[in-house]
Amino acid sequence: GAVVSQHPSRVICKSGTSVKIECRSLDFQATTMFWYRQFPKQSLMLMATSNEGSKATYEQGVEKDKFLINHASLTLSTLTVTSAHPEDSSFYICSPSLTGRQTQYFGPGTRLLVL
Amino acid sequence: QKEVEQNSGPLSVPEGAIASLNCTYSDRGSQSFFWYRQYSGKSPELIMSIYSNGDKEDGRFTAQLNKASQYVSLLIRDSQPSDSATYLCAVKPYGGATNKLIFGTGTLLAVQP
Repeated sequence: GAVVSQHPSRVICKSGTSVKIECRSLDFQATTMFWYRQFPKQSLMLMATSNEGSKATYEQGVEKDKFLINHASLTLSTLTVTSAHPEDSSFYICSPSLTGRQTQYFGPGTRLLVL
Repeated sequence: QKEVEQNSGPLSVPEGAIASLNCTYSDRGSQSFFWYRQYSGKSPELIMSIYSNGDKEDGRFTAQLNKASQYVSLLIRDSQPSDSATYLCAVKPYGGATNKLIFGTGTLLAVQP
């Protein structure tokens, strides 16, 4: 399997602040990065897809100005939750992917709690 | 209509029994199918992938695919309490430039000691 890291693993912040989540693929170059969100007792919801060096494509209902995605290199992508609110509290999971490789692996996730 | 459907469970089986998890999908052209296991509070981990009709075995796990019926299943033999988790079925639809997957809502499996 692939080795993927996410940082931080847990974060608690005040409402209105911004939070940056880093995702690194440690043993392969990710041409595509998927960002998911998972609320308690619900399934994974794809938020956006980004390809290295280009703008992310957001799923319907996901605000691109609120969830900023940067995929500047093949091993690092970041998700910034801007002006976070309590309803943004969730489990955020990245999934790097290599074009042509069928299997998709997941990072360990970042649990965000907004007070 | 959901694109990937799973029974949410919980599916309760005694230790040592066979657990059978089922998944149906709507895109007839789908080519790639995956089963992930997710423990509470953790991210999903890949268990099996299957691309051709029939059975694929890996240890205690067997994935079964029937494209005509648009049905994929996961059998867990000799179920252990450590298998208790949510099992997610994922399907890669036909076409598209990325490896985007469609996930089911997952089936919660509880193995009783």
